[in-house]
Amino acid sequence: AQSVTQLDSHVSVSEGTPVLLRCNYSSSYSPSLFWYVQHPNKGLQLLLKYTSAATLVKGINGFEAEFKKSETSFHLTKPSAHMSDAAEYFCVVSDPLFGNEKLTFGTGTRLTIIP
Amino acid sequence: EPEVTQTPSHQVTQMGQEVILRCVPISNHLYFYWYRQILGQKVEFLVSFYNNEISEKSEIFDDQFSVERPDGSNFTLKIRSTKLEDSAMYFCASSESRDTATDTQYFGPGTRLTVL
Repeated sequence: AQSVTQLDSHVSVSEGTPVLLRCNYSSSYSPSLFWYVQHPNKGLQLLLKYTSAATLVKGINGFEAEFKKSETSFHLTKPSAHMSDAAEYFCVVSDPLFGNEKLTFGTGTRLTIIP
Repeated sequence: EPEVTQTPSHQVTQMGQEVILRCVPISNHLYFYWYRQILGQKVEFLVSFYNNEISEKSEIFDDQFSVERPDGSNFTLKIRSTKLEDSAMYFCASSESRDTATDTQYFGPGTRLTVL
């Protein structure tokens, strides 16, 4: 079965410092991987996705993620945190073997930015 | 930018009552989904819907749940007889196609359902 594990439930960084949100996945086939962000009282917004093309994926707002098959990881990074980055971040996997439209979510990481 | 909308933002109901959660997907999208998130737990897939029928559903989506596209714009989730454990945030999503490798599911802001 497909699954994702987000290793940190809460991450705090100072404004202007790098962000690292960790995600490991389990999938039996060639997965699609996503990061979604949820700001308070807003819907889930797609940040970026990996779909078997380039392993380094660039998303919106300066975020990027690297697909590492050998480590089954898809960590999200940003070189310099901004106050507006404070939100909940979800790592998500879908696997053609389990029905391509079904998204499987991690438990989420709450990112706090310290001024 | 087009967006998925959901109403109400918060619904409080008594156990055993029926509730209908409403969603307006993005207008040119053909695939519709419901997910839910129980407080402190993962967002879970409930059901996908295409061409007026369910295309996939999870084990959570039992006979108490039903979905409908009653007109050209709304997509609804009905819970026939609510239980305490149905308390959760319910997210609606829509996409142009079913292939997440080539397309994106767009999510609404959610409806928080509280069952007393």
